[in-house]
Amino acid sequence: AQKITQTQPGMFVQEKEAVTLDCTYDTSDPSYGLFWYKQPSSGEMIFLIYQGSYDQQNATEGRYSLNFQKARKSANLVISASQLGDSAMYFCAMREGRQGGKLIFGQGTELSVKP
Amino acid sequence: DTGVSQNPRHKITKRGQNVTFRCDPISEHNRLYWYRQTLGQGPEFLTYFQNEAQLEKSRLLSDRFSAERPKGSFSTLEIQRTEQGDSAMYLCASSKERSRNEQFFGPGTRLTVL
Repeated sequence: AQKITQTQPGMFVQEKEAVTLDCTYDTSDPSYGLFWYKQPSSGEMIFLIYQGSYDQQNATEGRYSLNFQKARKSANLVISASQLGDSAMYFCAMREGRQGGKLIFGQGTELSVKP
Repeated sequence: DTGVSQNPRHKITKRGQNVTFRCDPISEHNRLYWYRQTLGQGPEFLTYFQNEAQLEKSRLLSDRFSAERPKGSFSTLEIQRTEQGDSAMYLCASSKERSRNEQFFGPGTRLTVL
C-alpha cells in the first residue's frame, strides 16, 4: 500500500503568490515524522521542513509552512511569496517510529513558478 | 561543515561490470543511508548504517548489491554484474542520532549501464 501519496504531478504558480502542495500519508505507528524535500534540476535533495506526529503546532521555516491535519493524515506544504528559484520537484517523506531509519518518499510534485 | 559528498558523480559502465560508489557523510553524523532514485520517482530506501553496523536492508537490495561502512565514517556501495535496470541515481544521506532524524543528502551518483 502506498504510504505517501502526492496527487499533484505538476503545479504552476505565479511569482509572489502562495502555493500548497498536497501530501497524504498512511501509518499505524503513533510516532512518526513528516518531511518535505526540494530537488532542483541539479539533483540534490534539500531538506525544507519537519513535523513530528506529537507536535502541537504546525511547523514553519521561513517561507515554508506545513499544514498538518493529523486526523486526515495530511501534511501539505505551503510556500508563501513564490520565487522563480522555487521551481523544482518537491517530495513529501515519512519516517515511522520515534527514531532512526528510512524515509519513505512520495512520487513528488513538480512546481513551476511563472514570472 | 562540508556536507555529504559522493564520488563519482557520474558512472557509465557496460552490463556485467562491477561498480563501486563512495559516500562521505557529514563528520558528526553517525547514521548513513543509501537510496536509489529512478527518473520521475521519489527516492527508494536501500540500506542504512548506524556507525559501522548495517541496521536495515531493503528487499530492493539484491545479492548483487553490497554496502559497507567499515570504520563508521565513509561508506561504499558496490553493484556486481550490473544490469541495465540498475541505471539510476544513487543517493547517500546522513543524519545524527536523534528523534527528528532529518537526513542531509549528497549530490548523488548517476549510474548508466549500457
